[in-house]
Amino acid sequence: DAKTTQPPSMDCAEGRAANLPCNHSTISGNEYVYWYRQIHSQGPQYIIHGLKNNETNEMASLIITEDRKSSTLILPHATLRDTAVYYCIVMETSGSRLTFGEGTQLTVNP
Amino acid sequence: DAGVTQSPTHLIKTRGQHVTLRCSPISGHKSVSWYQQVLGQGPQFIFQYYEKEERGRGNFPDRFSARQFPNYSSELNVNALLLGDSALYLCASSLDRWGGRGLKEQFFGPGTRLTVL
Repeated sequence: DAKTTQPPSMDCAEGRAANLPCNHSTISGNEYVYWYRQIHSQGPQYIIHGLKNNETNEMASLIITEDRKSSTLILPHATLRDTAVYYCIVMETSGSRLTFGEGTQLTVNP
Repeated sequence: DAGVTQSPTHLIKTRGQHVTLRCSPISGHKSVSWYQQVLGQGPQFIFQYYEKEERGRGNFPDRFSARQFPNYSSELNVNALLLGDSALYLCASSLDRWGGRGLKEQFFGPGTRLTVL
């Protein structure tokens, strides 16, 4: 599975958009980009995933560059409850495991 | 419906002992995976079980073993505990074996916090 690179920490003001970047320059054609988050002392929670098109759901939007070497998770209106570690994961559709990196600690400030 | 449940929530053991952690998946889910999360790091994959068979194994020593029962619940066993085994052990369940859609359906439990003294 391709390796991902994320900034260790980011801050965002409550109510503003949070844009979390992820580099995955070695991604292959059949690998999806997944985002999970982990709020302190809880298990990880699925957010969104995509292959090459931009995706949006009730939680977030995922923007994948045309060359697929990087992506951005967007939380459009961050709240204090969005404070968490966000993990970007790349995996094949036939993969059997999630490979977590160290993620980005997002802190939403009032 | 109840989510993924794990027991116990906290556990303290001493070096050399063994431990058994338990996981009950969401009703109807057939796949269970185990992860170890050391403080300050992301979860690391240990095992996946699907339909009572091991379908994937991470880079962990043979001291770690697991099994899945006919009701799809699962146990993780760790023998000869080391200080470095202190971690949060997470269980995740999914309806089916992993694939692109399978990942979306991964649901994690709250974890078991193991402390080895």
